[in-house]
Formats: sequence, C-alpha cells, structure tokens
Amino acid sequence: KNEVEQSPQNLTAQEGEFITINCSYSVGISALHWLQQHPGGGIVSLFMLSSGKKKHGRLIATINIQEKHSSLHITASHPRDSAVYICAGITQGGSEKLVFGKGTKLTVNP
Amino acid sequence: SQTIHQWPATLVQPVGSPLSLECTVEGTSNPNLYWYRQAAGRGLQLLFYSVGIGQISSEVPQNLSASRPQDRQFILSSKKLLLSDSGFYLCAWSANRGPTEAFFGQGTRLTVV
Repeated sequence: KNEVEQSPQNLTAQEGEFITINCSYSVGISALHWLQQHPGGGIVSLFMLSSGKKKHGRLIATINIQEKHSSLHITASHPRDSAVYICAGITQGGSEKLVFGKGTKLTVNP
Repeated sequence: SQTIHQWPATLVQPVGSPLSLECTVEGTSNPNLYWYRQAAGRGLQLLFYSVGIGQISSEVPQNLSASRPQDRQFILSSKKLLLSDSGFYLCAWSANRGPTEAFFGQGTRLTVV
C-alpha cells in the first residue's frame, strides 16, 4: 500500500527561525511533491522531486531515495509562510496518482 | 501557458439535490486529470482520475461520479447529495508523461445542508 507519513502535524515558529518539515514514504512511490495550501484552500505546488535537492528562494527541498525520506526547509521564516504544507507521493506505474500526507500546519509569529 | 479553471468556488446544496462541478484545463493536450476531496480535518484523498476522454478510474466507493466528455474537461457529479459529501474538492492535472508537476484548481467548498 502506498503511504506517506508527514511530521510534525503542527509547527509554531518565530519569525526568522529555520523550519524543517519531514516526510517519509513507502515503496511504490517514485517522486514527491511539496505543496502549500493557504487558508482559503487553494493549493500551489512548491517542488516536485525525484532525487537530490531543489531550492527556490527561501525554500529548500531534499529527498533521499534510499531512505525514502524528504524534507522541506524554510530559511528565515516569515509570517506570510504560515500555511499548511503537504507532502504528496507520486505512485509508480502509469497514471501518476498522488498519495497525500496529512499536512503540517505552520504558524510563523512576528 | 497552462491554466486550470474550477468552478464554482463555493456551493451550498440541500441533501438529495444533484451536483455538478466543472474543471477545464487550457494550454495543454491529453493531460491526466484528477478529482480530490479534503474532508474537514482530514488530508486530501483521490476520488477519480482520467488518462483520456471517457476513461475514468475510481479510487474509493462513493456517492459521486466523474466524466470526461472532452480532452480538457473533467466533471464531478452526483445525482443525490449526502451530508457526508460536504468538503473541499480540488481538480488537478499533470502531463501524461511520467512523474511531473501537478497543477491544482482553486477548489470548490461544498456544504451539503
């Protein structure tokens, strides 16, 4: 069964702190999305990773294929980073369905 | 550039009424299309996916159905809504060529009363 486990469930930080959100996934998942969901519900894809590391601005995503583990880092966090961050695994074989983690609710206080 | 449109943004419907949510994609052809649902306090769950016109796969048994009458149009329907159908529905697409970026619509918040 394809599974994605994400931690922590909730995270509160002070502005400027370095944030890490973790994601572990099962066999059968070939790549991962990191998604950002804002309070209105809309979802934006931040990264799609199948190996290595990607960086966009203050966001960094890494993936370790052998350990089946990925992390999303936010450097110099800001209140506007407050959102739910979701790890989603892409299943192997054809239709590229997504299996979602339950999300991490991040609150960055000023 | 590719865009995805989903409507309506919010919907309040009585129990037993029909439902039709529409999603269209522009700027690409032969996309994989998906309907997801996020129930209150829960993660996203895949409901349906489609790899081509008229090709629909269902992931979970439910009161809903999906159709793909055109290459870039994906419709989520119900003949009679249940209270448990309330939730946030998201349409998404990805290119039909292996693990790629996924793009999401803005979502529809459905409340069944």
